[in-house]
Amino acid sequence: NAGVTQTPKFRVLKTGQSMTLLCAQDMNHEYMYWYRQDPGMGLRLIHYSVGEGTTAKGEVPDGYNVSRLKKQNFLLGLESAAPSQTSVYFCASSRGTGTYEQYFGPGTRLTVT
Amino acid sequence: AQSVAQPEDQVNVAEGNPLTVKCTYSVSGNPYLFWYVQYPNRGLQFLLKYITGDNLVKGSYGFEAEFNKSQTSFHLKKPSALVSDSALYFCAVRDNGGSGAGSYQLTFGKGTKLSVIP
Repeated sequence: NAGVTQTPKFRVLKTGQSMTLLCAQDMNHEYMYWYRQDPGMGLRLIHYSVGEGTTAKGEVPDGYNVSRLKKQNFLLGLESAAPSQTSVYFCASSRGTGTYEQYFGPGTRLTVT
Repeated sequence: AQSVAQPEDQVNVAEGNPLTVKCTYSVSGNPYLFWYVQYPNRGLQFLLKYITGDNLVKGSYGFEAEFNKSQTSFHLKKPSALVSDSALYFCAVRDNGGSGAGSYQLTFGKGTKLSVIP
């Protein structure tokens, strides 16, 4: 099992450009999450999904959109990137029942200039 | 609302000594508590969790954590630190008294950097 994978690993964008981050999991997990990690801030939840075709806002959703067209994939989009979105982005997944530990991908380091 | 506090940004310990990384939490119901470790340029790895039952839980790599309901704490411990334990450690909480999809959210602390000195 590959677990949770993320593409790309690194990306540099100019202000105003758009991009999509892809997360894939092969554990048949119902729930998927997108976080951003900034120094001294811990992890903050951007959006999450409790099943195929459903998404919901987390703590810091502004400037991001998500889609969950397939159970195994969760996409995070930036329509018009801003320097404040420079961060490391982590995707995670978990079962929908049971004890809820989340499994994390390796992260995407995004720099917006 | 749920919250987590990790009062120490950094903990330094000598190799072979016991280590403790502190975590306190706040939830309206009963907590589910987790510890994760992050090595440089890597994602978070699950270490251990407290759901119910014995207050002392054991996890990966020789780590354990003690749940203390009266002090609302869930400190991470290891009897003998290794240099390879040097990493960033995150405590997280979920309120199991919540309802709806949002109740599945984990709230993370800001992290504690553990440095084990040879």
